[in-house]
Amino acid sequence: QVQLVESGGDLVKPGGSLRLSCAASGFSFSDYYMSWIRQAPGKGLEWVSYISGTSYTTYADSVKGRFTISRDNPKNSLYLQMNSLRAGDTAVYYCARHRNLVVPPNVWGKGTTVTVSS
Amino acid sequence: DIQMTQSPSTLSASVGDRVTITCRASQSIDSWLAWYQQKPGKAPKLLIYKASSLESGVPSRFSGSGSGTEFTLTISSLQPDDFATYHCQQYNSYPWTFGQGTKVEIK
Repeated sequence: QVQLVESGGDLVKPGGSLRLSCAASGFSFSDYYMSWIRQAPGKGLEWVSYISGTSYTTYADSVKGRFTISRDNPKNSLYLQMNSLRAGDTAVYYCARHRNLVVPPNVWGKGTTVTVSS
Repeated sequence: DIQMTQSPSTLSASVGDRVTITCRASQSIDSWLAWYQQKPGKAPKLLIYKASSLESGVPSRFSGSGSGTEFTLTISSLQPDDFATYHCQQYNSYPWTFGQGTKVEIK
């Protein structure tokens, strides 16, 4: 069945780096846009970044210049390289798929937790 | 960025009640609005897209309406499985933005 599984979340110190992964299965990965969306503890959802099937990317201002989204279509995998992490980046990070830019995500992973703390 | 404001923040209701949640956008988003349901510790689940289209597999007691800047999600007869937090999201333009969420709790 269609599935997204995130991994890589951890406790990291401010200024540190982390790489999240999202393994996709059950659908033609390269045909879909993929997004990272995060949720800070007790807060609402915040879109972070998206990548097209051909690797065009866009970022939220809050992470631009610090985070890099990428994908490996043959490996059905999505990544988020996070550098210069701040306490405000603490959140559950979800990967989600969407067919194009005018369709909302209809499949989400279960999330992976990133905690930035000294 | 387009700001999305949901009301109320919390709603207490009983099984069988008709429930309505409102979402307002800071500027027109046509009908590019989605609604999600989220339970504790789980990922959001898409319920409604394009303001009023029901996602496949979602019970028909859920419905959405509105366009422009004002939108509503209605649950016609609240069921035990519906106690959750509901989020609206605009996808008219990037950055996509979400409402702060409405928690539907048992009265």
